[in-house]
Amino acid sequence: NAGVMQNPRHLVRRRGQEARLRCSPMKGHSHVYWYRQLPEEGLKFMVYLQKENIIDESGMPKERFSAEFPKEGPSILRIQQVVRGDSAAYFCASSPGTGGLSEQFFGPGTRLTVL
Amino acid sequence: KNEVEQSPQNLTAQEGEFITINCSYSVGISALHWLQQHPGGGIVSLFMLSSGKKKHGRLIATINIQEKHSSLHITASHPRDSAVYICAVAPFYGGSQGNLIFGKGTKLSVKP
Repeated sequence: NAGVMQNPRHLVRRRGQEARLRCSPMKGHSHVYWYRQLPEEGLKFMVYLQKENIIDESGMPKERFSAEFPKEGPSILRIQQVVRGDSAAYFCASSPGTGGLSEQFFGPGTRLTVL
Repeated sequence: KNEVEQSPQNLTAQEGEFITINCSYSVGISALHWLQQHPGGGIVSLFMLSSGKKKHGRLIATINIQEKHSSLHITASHPRDSAVYICAVAPFYGGSQGNLIFGKGTKLSVKP
């Protein structure tokens, strides 16, 4: 049973470009979470999704960021018109049930560098 | 004030020492998680607990819900335990939600 997969592991973008980060949850997990870790800072919640639904996006910046978890395929975190401040490690996690009472399994992260 | 506070921020120990990392939180929670982040950046879930105590190998986690406090203990520490240990809480909003609130982590270095 493969763990949570994220790709790409490293992504370099120039200011103004779009970044697409992908997350495939563990088999059987229908709950996906995205977290961001800025350099020298702690992890911060961004968004919580179930298949085809955004459950909680209270940690997502209001502009330029969006997330989806379609019926088929991976969850996608999309950042439009990236800026240098978006440079961070983005982690995805999945769980079999609601994250509050379910162990979350983390992917290896995508390290985004904006030039 | 952060909702989740960890202490100490940095900890250096000699191999074999008993280690304690503390976590205090200020919100109502449905569960508390302890995570380990390796130097390479990968994150591993160590424990999820909502009451009492859990043990896995040399690791022990305890939680006191009334005092809003948890501790992570490592017995017979080893250099391979060197990592950042992160406490995270699942806030209870009258119904479990999915997001976690993280502490800033405790960087542990175990010297041989």
